[in-house]
Amino acid sequence: SYELTQPPSVSVSPGQTARITCSGDALPQKFAYWYQQRLGQAPVLVIYEDNKRPSGIPARFSGSSSGTMATLTISGAQVEDEGDYYCYSTDSIGYRGLFGTGTKVTVL
Amino acid sequence: QVQLEQSGTEVKRPGASVKVSCKASGYTFTSYYMHWVRQAPGQGLEWMGIINPSDATTSYAQKFRGRVYMTRDTSTDTVYMGLSGLKSDDTAIYYCARDKGPSKAAGPGDYWGQGTLVTVSS
Repeated sequence: SYELTQPPSVSVSPGQTARITCSGDALPQKFAYWYQQRLGQAPVLVIYEDNKRPSGIPARFSGSSSGTMATLTISGAQVEDEGDYYCYSTDSIGYRGLFGTGTKVTVL
Repeated sequence: QVQLEQSGTEVKRPGASVKVSCKASGYTFTSYYMHWVRQAPGQGLEWMGIINPSDATTSYAQKFRGRVYMTRDTSTDTVYMGLSGLKSDDTAIYYCARDKGPSKAAGPGDYWGQGTLVTVSS
């Protein structure tokens, strides 16, 4: 079955750049979406269609995709960026959505 | 403003069924697909399926086929997710999420319901 694989954790100091990867065989043909989830809260969309930022999302969040890997970059990470991050995409046949395995981001 | 208001907490016995509602407001209901996503305690996000409120067509994750159904009521701008044959590992928070859209199945977007806790316990 199709999978989206993320690193379990990423840790950076405040002001540094955090990069979270998402690997999946269909990513060359399908868009990636990224969500931030803080403890006890609903997910928040931070990047859609590989590299577009919804209104209200800080410019330090950016996305890219190349081949079978999508990447979420947090440039100049802040303490408030801590949380779990999930990529999302679809498989190559029809519409079947799938979330990545999730990455815990720590900023300290 | 766009709002998705979900129904309240449910407690069910193993083998029972549950139906969770998600009432939309602040936009044209039939213009955006709706996703259902769940999260078990301490676990990641899990996509369950999607419904097109315009024509009620659905697509479900393979894992839930045969146990899940999604419907909509255009008179009340509400989508429903039903899950049967409940097991303890169906204990989770269930979210509805409006697609980024419009008029296409893209991905869960900016608007999510507050979540509905479903607990399955004997």
